[in-house]
Formats: sequence, C-alpha cells, structure tokens
Amino acid sequence: DIQVTQSPSSVSASVGDRVTITCRASQGISKNLAWYQQKPGKAPKLLIHSASTLQSGVPSRFSGSGSGTDFTLTINSLQPEDFATYYCQLPNSFPAFGGGTRVEIK
Amino acid sequence: EVQLVESGGGLVQPGGSLRLSCAASGFTFNTYSMNWVRQAPGKGLEWIAYISSSSSTIFYAASVQDRFTISRDNAGNSLYLQMDSLRAEDTAVYYCARDPFSSGWGDQWGQGTLVTVSS
Repeated sequence: DIQVTQSPSSVSASVGDRVTITCRASQGISKNLAWYQQKPGKAPKLLIHSASTLQSGVPSRFSGSGSGTDFTLTINSLQPEDFATYYCQLPNSFPAFGGGTRVEIK
Repeated sequence: EVQLVESGGGLVQPGGSLRLSCAASGFTFNTYSMNWVRQAPGKGLEWIAYISSSSSTIFYAASVQDRFTISRDNAGNSLYLQMDSLRAEDTAVYYCARDPFSSGWGDQWGQGTLVTVSS
C-alpha cells in the first residue's frame, strides 16, 4: 500500500502569516491528492482536490501544489478562522489520510 | 441543500455488532460514490470503506476488512456500514462522505455518529 507522511505535526503562527504544510507519498500518485480542514467537534471540510483545484467556496488564500510524491498546502495571510487541523488524503484504492497538522495561534 | 445524517451509533460490547446508517438528501444519491471515515477520540482521520454508485466497486481499509461491510440502497437514498466483531479500537466517530471524484475523497460530510466499544 502507498503510505503518506505529513509534516509538520503542528505549527504555531500569527494572523497574517503564511503557513506551508507538506505531504509526501511513498509512490508517485500523479496529482491525486486532497486537502481538508477540520475544526474541533466538526466534520472535515474539503479544501483542495487533485492537488491544486480549489473546492467551490474555499477562500483563495488556500492553495495546493505538487505532483508525483511531494505536495504542499499553502495558506497565505492566515486568518483567525484558519486555526484548525489540516489533513491530506491519497486517492483510492488506498485513500489513507496523513497524520494531520495542527495550526495553532502563536 | 445537501444533507448527510448518520445514525445507529452507541455503546456496544467487544465482539458485538452495530449497523450504521447514513440518510442522504438534496442530491441524486445514485450517481455518487460514498465513503465511511472514522476518527478515534483525539486522533486523526481514518478512511475505512468506499462504495461506488452502483455498488460494483467496494474497498476496505485493512483494519476493518472481513469485519465491516459497506452497502447502499439507492432507492432509499441510504448508505450503511455493518460492523461485526467490534473491538475497543473501533471506538470512534463515524462519518459518511459523498464522493463525486470516485477517489475516496469527500466533498460533503455528515455530522458523525459515535460508536463506543466497551464492556
């Protein structure tokens, strides 16, 4: 099975900062990666699919890049509502999630 | 408005069974693949099962293979997860998620239902 490694596990940032989260797949997966945001007690929210396609309604300060094995989620100009945990996810038939990155207030 | 409402969670003893349901509304259910994803208390997300729109393709995570069964009733707009031989490590919030990509991803999620496996 393909494995995915997400880093960092947590990051402290201030409002207005740029935050970068990475996921690395153990094998090439083309552009088949999704990113989610989850707030405590809530269901995950899809932010980006196919590595770089912004889901409808998601603010443009979120962007995704990468292909093959290395992928990045970037949040430009961090807003108060962006403090949450972020996950990447591989595609089927091995749609495992990364371990998550908690974005905390510095 | 798309709605996914899970039900059927609760407390069950180790070795027991439980059947979760996910009622879908606000979209054409029979044209979408669906997934079950769970989250143990304080832990990350774990994808556990996928079913295509026609039920012709089904995948399971290794952790639930041979114990859990995903199914759907397109006429009734419902998704199911039959969980047998439950273990303490199956304790989690279980989410159903709509999958327009047929990739194991979810663009719409339910609110989740809590399953607790304990004696």
